[in-house]
Amino acid sequence: GQQLNQSPQSMFIQEGEDVSMNCTSSSIFNTWLWYKQDPGEGPVLLIALYKAGELTSNGRLTAQFGITRKDSFLNISASIPSDVGIYFCAGRWTNAGKSTFGDGTTLTVKP
Amino acid sequence: GAVVSQHPSRVICKSGTSVKIECRSLDFQATTMFWYRQFPKQSLMLMATSNEGSKATYEQGVEKDKFLINHASLTLSTLTVTSAHPEDSSFYICSAMSDTQYFGPGTRLTVL
Repeated sequence: GQQLNQSPQSMFIQEGEDVSMNCTSSSIFNTWLWYKQDPGEGPVLLIALYKAGELTSNGRLTAQFGITRKDSFLNISASIPSDVGIYFCAGRWTNAGKSTFGDGTTLTVKP
Repeated sequence: GAVVSQHPSRVICKSGTSVKIECRSLDFQATTMFWYRQFPKQSLMLMATSNEGSKATYEQGVEKDKFLINHASLTLSTLTVTSAHPEDSSFYICSAMSDTQYFGPGTRLTVL
């Protein structure tokens, strides 16, 4: 089946630093999604990407849908303490189909 | 974005009892909803895909008689954990499809 490799597994950074995380897949996707999950909460959608090469921003967050359709990255600029949480990537083949999730990147931001 | 609610947010029950968790899409209709289970510090594990008006599709290894799913309307899906045991204690999260996939806030189940 489809597998997603998300890296890094965890990051410890200083407030104000930029962050980059990525996901690679063994097969192609038509949609890439990035979510953030706070402890005890459900994942919240950050950015959705629908086209190969697409670069989309949401405030300090920027994500790109790789040209090969097998990878995506998420960048966070000028991190702040509330960026702490677990970030998940997800890939989907069809619009109504189930998503395959990465294992998550746990971000810790030191003030 | 679309809003998905879950109820209850947390539940504690005795071993052997059944627990029902509701998932509602509040501002859109969802023909497809998904149920996930998440263990501490792990990713989301898809349990089943719930389709309105038809039987749910369960992932390999998920017991359909233990985890009963009903999707009776376009805004409501329910997951019933039957004869719950301590090993069923987990964080259960539903999601619903709108323009994309939106998640509920999750339900923390603790089975004593």
